[in-house]
Order: sequence, then structure tokens, then C-alpha cells
Amino acid sequence: EPEVTQTPSHQVTQMGQEVILRCVPISNHLYFYWYRQILGQKVEFLVSFYNNEISEKSEIFDDQFSVERPDGSNFTLKIRSTKLEDSAMYFCASSEFIAGGGYGYTFGSGTRLTVV
Amino acid sequence: QQPVQSPQAVILREGEDAVINCSSSKALYSVHWYRQKHGEAPIFLMILLKGGEQKGHDKISASFNEKKQQSSLYLTASQLSYSGTYFCGTDTFTGTASKLTFGTGTRLQVTL
Repeated sequence: EPEVTQTPSHQVTQMGQEVILRCVPISNHLYFYWYRQILGQKVEFLVSFYNNEISEKSEIFDDQFSVERPDGSNFTLKIRSTKLEDSAMYFCASSEFIAGGGYGYTFGSGTRLTVV
Repeated sequence: QQPVQSPQAVILREGEDAVINCSSSKALYSVHWYRQKHGEAPIFLMILLKGGEQKGHDKISASFNEKKQQSSLYLTASQLSYSGTYFCGTDTFTGTASKLTFGTGTRLQVTL
């Protein structure tokens, strides 16, 4: 079964450093997303991406965040200057329109980001 | 706005039933249900579309009332493996993009 692949699985970074989280969505999916989950809390929407541009972003997704699809297969989330509160699990997802209507989402296994 | 789930937490003995509710203030295109084990990614359980449909997956089923903007997940004869946090996800497709918003979560623990 097709998978969404995320790398790395764990990342530890110093406050103020830039990090890039990488994702390979399912190849025939057209919509891509980043979500984050602070430990023990809800899963929060960050951004959706379609047709090589951002479709929607949340309040969390400020100027410190950016997304890119550099080569047609990878989908990256960059945090320019990490803060302690950016520590969370980051999930990438992709979706496709499914028979009968609706969009089926597939989530990657996540990258645990720890900012120290 | 985030969908609200109830209850926040529930403890069951193996074999008991549970109902988890999800309520949204926005018109919904579809409702998704996920189960998440600690430290893992959410695992897709099922999707329900407009039309008041009901779906089943083994001993787990769900309903979607589009008019009330509510969905319920039914767990019957619970097993230890059902333990985890259950999230509903509401899709408010606007015609240009789909976006899944997760609910507040319901922590389910099944004991012997």
C-alpha cells in the first residue's frame, strides 16, 4: 500500500537554528499538508498546498515557516529560526479525491522535533 | 473552528461498548475518524460522506448527521487493542481545497 514517507524520524536542534523536515507524499496525490502535534495535545493544521502554492495556512504558520515542493516528489517544511515552543511531532499528509466523494488522507509516521 | 468531541476520556472493560461524539459549528463535507496510539501517527478508520450515512469496520461503526453537523463513532465489544486516542476530522472542502480539522480527541482505555 502506498505510503507517505517522512525524514528524519527525530530531529534535535538548538533554538534559533533552521530546520527542514522532509516528506515524500503519495505520487498521484494532489494535495499536501503539514500538521503538528504538541505532546499530549490535539493535532493542529499548519498548511495545505495544491498546484504548487499554499491553499490555506493557519495562524501558527507565520513568517518563520515555509513550504516547498522543490522537485515534484519531495514536500518540505522549513522553520527558519526555531523556538522552544516549536517542539512537537510534525506530520505530513497527502490526499486524493476518492470514489463516492470526499478526500482520503494518508499521514506519514511523523518527525519528532525537539528544540533545546 | 475545531470540532468538539465528547467524552474527553473513557475507561472500558474489555467487551463493553462506547460511543464517541463529534460536533462541528461549520457545514461539513465529510467526517473522518482516526485512532492514535501514543507516539505514533493517526491511523485512518473510516470516512463518512454527506447523506446521513453509516459505516462499519469490524466492530467499529460510525454515523454522520449532516444537518446537525455531528458524527458518532460506535465501538462494540471493545478489545484491548482499541485503546488509544480517537480523533474525528472534519473536512470543510470549499471547492478549491480540502482541509481536515481534527477534533479535541477522546482518550479511550480498555482494561481487562
